[in-house]
Amino acid sequence: EVHLVESGGGLVKPGGSLRLSCAASGFTLSNYSMNWVRQAPGKGLEWVSLISSSSRYIYYADSVKGRFTISRDNAKNSLYLQMNSLRAGDTAVYYCARESAVRYNGMDVWGQGTKVTVSS
Amino acid sequence: DIVMTQSPLSLPVTPGEPASISCRSSQSLLYSNGNNYLDWYLLKPGQSPQLLIYLGSNRASGVPDRFSGSGSGTDFTLKISRVEAGDVGLYYCMQALQSPPMYTFGQGTKLEI
Repeated sequence: EVHLVESGGGLVKPGGSLRLSCAASGFTLSNYSMNWVRQAPGKGLEWVSLISSSSRYIYYADSVKGRFTISRDNAKNSLYLQMNSLRAGDTAVYYCARESAVRYNGMDVWGQGTKVTVSS
Repeated sequence: DIVMTQSPLSLPVTPGEPASISCRSSQSLLYSNGNNYLDWYLLKPGQSPQLLIYLGSNRASGVPDRFSGSGSGTDFTLKISRVEAGDVGLYYCMQALQSPPMYTFGQGTKLEI
């Protein structure tokens, strides 16, 4: 069965750092681009970042550019999000989601999410 | 950036009745390959988002045929032919056309019984 499982969330002070992980199982991660999407409390979904299957192409939302770094290790079936200089506005549930690298068919598999709280 | 606007933002419905959600984009989502890069996602309470429709009108695997997507260019619609109690949640449209990629979601439409 296809699964994505996020981990690494928690409580961090403003200006702090956190590294999220997303473990993939049931499919070959290297066949997919991967996204991070977040939902802040009481707010809608916000796309955060995308990494291509080979890590050649990487994109960020303007709100996190220069502070967040997406990476992946296909051999370990894992996706990561390094979050630095965290702000209160980064408080959200963070989801990883896969996207076909061959033919676009939406973000068809999502993890259960990991909660990040930025507060002093 | 492409801005996505959904309406209504709140949609009270009666089980068994149809429902419709509109999504408009600030730029055409029709690509030269003939595809509209517009998806629909549902976020049910306590769950993670799930893909309903991709490329404007293609139902994702496992999605009941009560759900359908239509539209082209800048105007899109998600229709539920007969609403069930389990359909409650937040419905989002999302554009995936912008290059370099910078996906944007609509504000969300809360469907409630």
